[in-house]
Amino acid sequence: ETGVTQSPTHLIKTRGQQVTLRCSSQSGHNTVSWYQQALGQGPQFIFQYYREEENGRGNFPPRFSGLQFPNYSSELNVNALELDDSALYLCASSLAGVPDTQYFGPGTRLTVL
Amino acid sequence: QKEVEQNSGPLSVPEGAIASLNCTYSDRGSQSFFWYRQYSGKSPELIMSIYSNGDKEDGRFTAQLNKASQYVSLLIRDSQPSDSATYLCAVNSDHSGGYNKLIFGAGTRLAVHP
Repeated sequence: ETGVTQSPTHLIKTRGQQVTLRCSSQSGHNTVSWYQQALGQGPQFIFQYYREEENGRGNFPPRFSGLQFPNYSSELNVNALELDDSALYLCASSLAGVPDTQYFGPGTRLTVL
Repeated sequence: QKEVEQNSGPLSVPEGAIASLNCTYSDRGSQSFFWYRQYSGKSPELIMSIYSNGDKEDGRFTAQLNKASQYVSLLIRDSQPSDSATYLCAVNSDHSGGYNKLIFGAGTRLAVHP
């Protein structure tokens, strides 16, 4: 167990809807990264939050957005859902001072119909 | 060219044997390298990190790094059926923007048979 929690575990939405996924980082971790993992592929970096600011973004459209709160927890919001958004969404938190060692939460499995 | 490449497998080894998993990467500026294990339906679990050329051992696992050849490997000694999983190689992308993102390979599926 990494101490990183995510909710919900599973989610089913229809195309065009909006979804919010939540993540609580491990105690002492101030950096949260979000990844999307499609079936049979490795995780792909969406963005990273540090001190409540987005400080890096992967190749994802603006309808993917996020927030980080003062307690370092984070949200991932996806608007106008598409079928290809069906994936496992992973949150990873990092130790202050060792930012590139990332520990993953259990993930949220999103299915878009 | 993919940024991080791994053979998809499956790599099948008998119980008790050494499993050898390989990974190549394209970004010469990368400084940090990781191996994650992912069981089916679960999230990736960090098992090894390596930052310097050479070998790093942790229990039954040995990570090997050769930056000149842009090559990372993971050896699992005395393989057990419980080691059967997908092994993901991840490389920290070197960004001047000051953030750290991991670039993952697609993973190698390992099957250890009794």
